[in-house]
Amino acid sequence: GEDVEQSLFLSVREGDSSVINCTYTDSSSTYLYWYKQEPGAGLQLLTYIFSNMDMKQDQRLTVLLNKKDKHLSLRIADTQTGDSAIYFCAEKTGRRALTFGSGTRLQVQP
Amino acid sequence: EPEVTQTPSHQVTQMGQEVILRCVPISNHLYFYWYRQILGQKVEFLVSFYNNEISEKSEIFDDQFSVERPDGSNFTLKIRSTKLEDSAMYFCASSQVNRDGDRELFFGEGSRLTVL
Repeated sequence: GEDVEQSLFLSVREGDSSVINCTYTDSSSTYLYWYKQEPGAGLQLLTYIFSNMDMKQDQRLTVLLNKKDKHLSLRIADTQTGDSAIYFCAEKTGRRALTFGSGTRLQVQP
Repeated sequence: EPEVTQTPSHQVTQMGQEVILRCVPISNHLYFYWYRQILGQKVEFLVSFYNNEISEKSEIFDDQFSVERPDGSNFTLKIRSTKLEDSAMYFCASSQVNRDGDRELFFGEGSRLTVL
């Protein structure tokens, strides 16, 4: 079945860029997503990208998609302490449900 | 901004008891979902619901689980006889088809279920 993998933890200093990586196995994925989960909160959709795109930028967020390698990344520029959270990569194929990764905990140090 | 709301935020129950988790989706959404996240593990899909019937379900969603939309606003998940391994955070989500033809899911804050 489909699988989505992420590294578990990333620590950066405030003001640096953060890059969170994700790999997936389903080559027919149509949409790929990044969700943010703050402590005690739900899953907040940050951004998504179509599989026929290779980059999407939205303010401090840049999503890069390498479809050949099935690799997705989320870059957060000028990372702030408020960006500390768990970031989930997810993929969707057609009408099937989202498949989530395990989440990457981002810790931003002042 | 419209949001998905879930109750209760935390429920503690004894093994074998029935539990109902409630969700109020965003009002103009037509697709509804339940996901769960066992502590430290992935967010897993349970079931999706459209037009008053289940449209997709995972292997996790066995006969112990059921979903219902009892009125025009609530969407419930019932676990008939809870097991220890049902302890998890349960997320409700709803979606509408957006202008790109995709269903963008909006999640609630989750209901934490602890089975003792």
